[in-house]
Amino acid sequence: KNQVEQSPQSLIILEGKNCTLQCNYTVSPFSNLRWYKQDTGRGPVSLTIMTFSENTKSNGRYTATLDADTKQSSLHITASQLSDSASYICVVSAAQAGTALIFGKGTTLSVSS
Amino acid sequence: ETGVTQTPRHLVMGMTNKKSLKCEQHLGHNAMYWYKQSAKKPLELMFVYNFKEQTENNSVPSRFSPECPNSSHLFLHLHTLQPEDSALYLCASSHGQGGYEQYFGPGTRLTVT
Repeated sequence: KNQVEQSPQSLIILEGKNCTLQCNYTVSPFSNLRWYKQDTGRGPVSLTIMTFSENTKSNGRYTATLDADTKQSSLHITASQLSDSASYICVVSAAQAGTALIFGKGTTLSVSS
Repeated sequence: ETGVTQTPRHLVMGMTNKKSLKCEQHLGHNAMYWYKQSAKKPLELMFVYNFKEQTENNSVPSRFSPECPNSSHLFLHLHTLQPEDSALYLCASSHGQGGYEQYFGPGTRLTVT
């Protein structure tokens, strides 16, 4: 069964600190993996997208990694800011007909001052 | 802004009411989607339209009725809903169906009383 598991479910950190969010998936055949940021009351916004051959992708203070062998991905946030408080959703696309996007439940990050 | 707008942003309706959600995309995309997002659960894909034709219906109850008059507009007609239908309803669009990146609207927060 295609599944995406994210951990931790929620996380609280102090402003300026770094953090890492985890995503494990069992999607096959794999096409690509995306990380989305969803602010409260808003729709998800794409942060990064990685295909099978990519190990690392950065977007400002956000760095995503992908290990296709172990089917794990991480999202590292450097020097966190209050505006980073949001839900971060890992989405894996299966290489098959149709939409085939499998969503994780997300990690809720709270950055406090 | 992602180029996808949704109205209304908030909606409270009784179980006997009939209402409609509207989505419009200004990105020139050909595929549009409706998702349901409930607390503590992954996004649930409801319907997919590609070039105005419905291509996916993920066993959604008939009290939800989608309509896609053209590639830029998508509606979700609601009637005789249940309290458990209360959720954030998100619209998204993409260049085509499949593994293309999806751009999400801000969502409609629906409360069924």
